[in-house]
Amino acid sequence: GESVGLHLPTLSVQEGDNSIINCAYSNSASDYFIWYKQESGKGPQFIIDIRSNMDKRQGQRVTVLLNKTVKHLSLQIAATQPGDSAVYFCAESKDNYGQNFVFGPGTRLSVLP
Amino acid sequence: GAVVSQHPSWVICKSGTSVKIECRSLDFQATTMFWYRQFPKQSLMLMATSNEGSKATYEQGVEKDKFLINHASLTLSTLTVTSAHPEDSSFYICSARAPLTGALNQPQHFGDGTRLSIL
Repeated sequence: GESVGLHLPTLSVQEGDNSIINCAYSNSASDYFIWYKQESGKGPQFIIDIRSNMDKRQGQRVTVLLNKTVKHLSLQIAATQPGDSAVYFCAESKDNYGQNFVFGPGTRLSVLP
Repeated sequence: GAVVSQHPSWVICKSGTSVKIECRSLDFQATTMFWYRQFPKQSLMLMATSNEGSKATYEQGVEKDKFLINHASLTLSTLTVTSAHPEDSSFYICSARAPLTGALNQPQHFGDGTRLSIL
């Protein structure tokens, strides 16, 4: 299930299940969005991006959905694997090239055996 | 492989000393690099935008005299934390803006961060 603690919200899923990580963004003028994965002690790793003229984009095992009406972004991971355990951040940008990112608070994904 | 290299990955030093962190783009020239700070269990916060050959642009609340940024070449930006104190202890991450042309399909490439611990 999903819980919100004092710090990062945590999502725990069974290995093999699908994961859905949500993000509410703040700026209705944001035009470009990215999901990043951050493993402990490392920098963010690009997963998938989407521009505001789209509402869905698929990659390998991942899908990003964008709902501009409610300013909501989600990342779906199919058949979650232990290697997916990490903190996931959404980032929003007002410009088309993705500068001046504003990062969301992050969600820790824990994959249970 | 990594396209942005950050050095050192971990540094511990005494209060009052200055610490320099390097950020290098390995396979491309980066006219713009970014410096972020991340406290434990928190998100990345942009500190400043580093532009090659010009002064860095600092975010509100970031002391430019405290966090000196130099971007003297197209592949290197440095962040110097001057007179560091325990409250400066954090995870510092740089990124480099990808070139507009080329095979890289991401807007920014991140380094693996530098963990700074001030005693």
